[in-house]
Amino acid sequence: DTEVTQTPKHLVMGMTNKKSLKCEQHMGHRAMYWYKQKAKKPPELMFVYSYEKLSINESVPSRFSPECPNSSLLNLHLHALQPEDSALYLCASRGGPATDTQYFGPGTRLTVL
Amino acid sequence: QQQVKQSPQSLIVQKGGISIINCAYENTAFDYFPWYQQFPGKGPALLIAIRPDVSEKKEGRFTISFNKSAKQFSLHIMDSQPGDSATYFCAASIAGQNFVFGPGTRLSVLP
Repeated sequence: DTEVTQTPKHLVMGMTNKKSLKCEQHMGHRAMYWYKQKAKKPPELMFVYSYEKLSINESVPSRFSPECPNSSLLNLHLHALQPEDSALYLCASRGGPATDTQYFGPGTRLTVL
Repeated sequence: QQQVKQSPQSLIVQKGGISIINCAYENTAFDYFPWYQQFPGKGPALLIAIRPDVSEKKEGRFTISFNKSAKQFSLHIMDSQPGDSATYFCAASIAGQNFVFGPGTRLSVLP
């Protein structure tokens, strides 16, 4: 099973709301990623967790707060977002040191009003 | 130095033809070069990947050619089909950590 699941599929929120995106994988992967993808653009790396520790934060604004509660779960907490944060948010996971293959989830389509 | 360039931006190919997409990089520390296929509203899916110690890799109709000295790599799709119509991204990473994507190529295969 090479599946990465993401919930919700779609999310509409106001600029004062607090919401969370959830990502789950049961492949035993120890690296998990959040990406942001705008229309007709490539995915942009936001955060990388390695063995449940944040290893890369690509200068993402503090209104995005990642969390890795355990090796299978990755959350992205959202607060006080701006309309320009509307995008497809993708989660990915990668296996151990012997493989660099990333598996992507289907994404959460976020609209900020 | 972290940038990956990709061309063409869009490509139209007749069914049965060969689709060729090219990428170039600057950072010689990159050690893994995947290609992803993405359909509208879906996440990217890995097509094929290569490491710099190999010059060519073939999987079915998909072939990666890699030129380490020129710091270039390309994707060839043989016998292109309408179902191949999608956006294709090349990418590069160092030790599987920081994945950098090219800007993408929108491929349309005409029936």
